[in-house]
Amino acid sequence: EVQLLESGGGLVQPGGSLRLSCAASGFTFSNYAMHWVRQAPGKGLQWVSVISRSGDSTFYADSVKGRFTISRDNSKNTLYLQMNSLRAEDTALYFCANPGYTSGSMYYWGQGTLVTVSS
Amino acid sequence: EIVLTQSPGTLSLSPGERATLSCRASQSVGGSYLAWYQQKPGQAPRLLIYGASSRATGIPDRFSGSGSGTDFTLTISRLEPEDFAVYYCQQYGSSPYTFGQGTKLEIK
Repeated sequence: EVQLLESGGGLVQPGGSLRLSCAASGFTFSNYAMHWVRQAPGKGLQWVSVISRSGDSTFYADSVKGRFTISRDNSKNTLYLQMNSLRAEDTALYFCANPGYTSGSMYYWGQGTLVTVSS
Repeated sequence: EIVLTQSPGTLSLSPGERATLSCRASQSVGGSYLAWYQQKPGQAPRLLIYGASSRATGIPDRFSGSGSGTDFTLTISRLEPEDFAVYYCQQYGSSPYTFGQGTKLEIK
């Protein structure tokens, strides 16, 4: 059974940093690109970032480019999102997602970890 | 960046009726790389359709997707009580992989 378990969320002050993790199990992690998607309270979904299977290719939403860094450790089956210079508008539930067999869309999702940016 | 506009914002229908949800892109979506997701309160999204028209594993055949280029449609042929939720389209043909703003399907 595929499982994605996010962690690392919490309350942080504006300008602060946080690192999210997504522990994957039930599939061969290194065979799949991985995504981060976020959802502000009461709002819609926003795609944040994607990383290739090997980690050598990454893409970001314009709103986080230069502040967030996606990475992965295939030996630990773990995806990361380093978030710096956090703003109030980064407050959201952060999901990691995996395309599974669908090659690009997001078939498997975690339950999310909540990030709150507030003073 | 490809902007996806979903319509209507809210759709009020009764169980047994047919639902038609629209997703229009600001530019052509390459390879018809367009997905539809369903999200219920307190839950992660669930993939319904990928590649514009392919149903994901385990999705009932009352859900169907169609379209290409800039115009895409999700159709639910006969609404079941569990289908009332928020639906999002998403393009993954070019980065950034944008989502639409969502359509809320509510019980009339």
